Amino acid sequence: ILNVEQSPQSLHVQEGDSTNFTCSFPSSNFYALHWYRWETAKSPEALFVMTLNGDEKKKGRISATLNTKEGYSYLYIKGSQPEDSATYLCATLVGDKIIFGKGTRLHILP
Amino acid sequence: DTGVSQNPRHKITKRGQNVTFRCDPISEHNRLYWYRQTLGQGPEFLTYFQNEAQLEKSRLLSDRFSAERPKGSFSTLEIQRTEQGDSAMYLCASSRGQDPYEQYFGPGTRLTVT
Repeated sequence: ILNVEQSPQSLHVQEGDSTNFTCSFPSSNFYALHWYRWETAKSPEALFVMTLNGDEKKKGRISATLNTKEGYSYLYIKGSQPEDSATYLCATLVGDKIIFGKGTRLHILP
Repeated sequence: DTGVSQNPRHKITKRGQNVTFRCDPISEHNRLYWYRQTLGQGPEFLTYFQNEAQLEKSRLLSDRFSAERPKGSFSTLEIQRTEQGDSAMYLCASSRGQDPYEQYFGPGTRLTVT
């Protein structure tokens, strides 16, 4: 059974502070790791697709790292802004299916 | 806006009724996926199509659920004899056949069964 775990489940961060959260996944037969941002009443938005061990990707103030040998990925947000409030989902690709974690719900406090 | 649309956005129905949801994928995408997301959980895979062929179904998809993609374009997901446990967000996503990495999601249909 494939399990994708995310922690913490929920996070409150002061505006301007930086934060990070974790996604862990089975390291065997790894294919790809996705990060999505899902704002309320909107579609989940793809942030990153990561495939290589040691990969680091960046999009504005958001970046992610990948360790396929130990089965984890970190997502970092620098200088949090109110628009960063969302649920951040990670998922791993198994064949043609994406298996999601439960998400980290991020609340940015003004 | 990802280009994937879903209708309706919200549906409230009484237990025992049938409901049908529609997904319109990005036009050049030949793969279409359905997911279900319940409170406190991540999206769970239900089924996917390559063109009009339904290639895989999750065991979550009971015999009350049926999905179609008759012309390889839009898809419908029907739930017969709805139960309260069917209350969830139903998400649709599409991708190009050769690039399963890039799935684009619709905004979802939120189903409430009373």
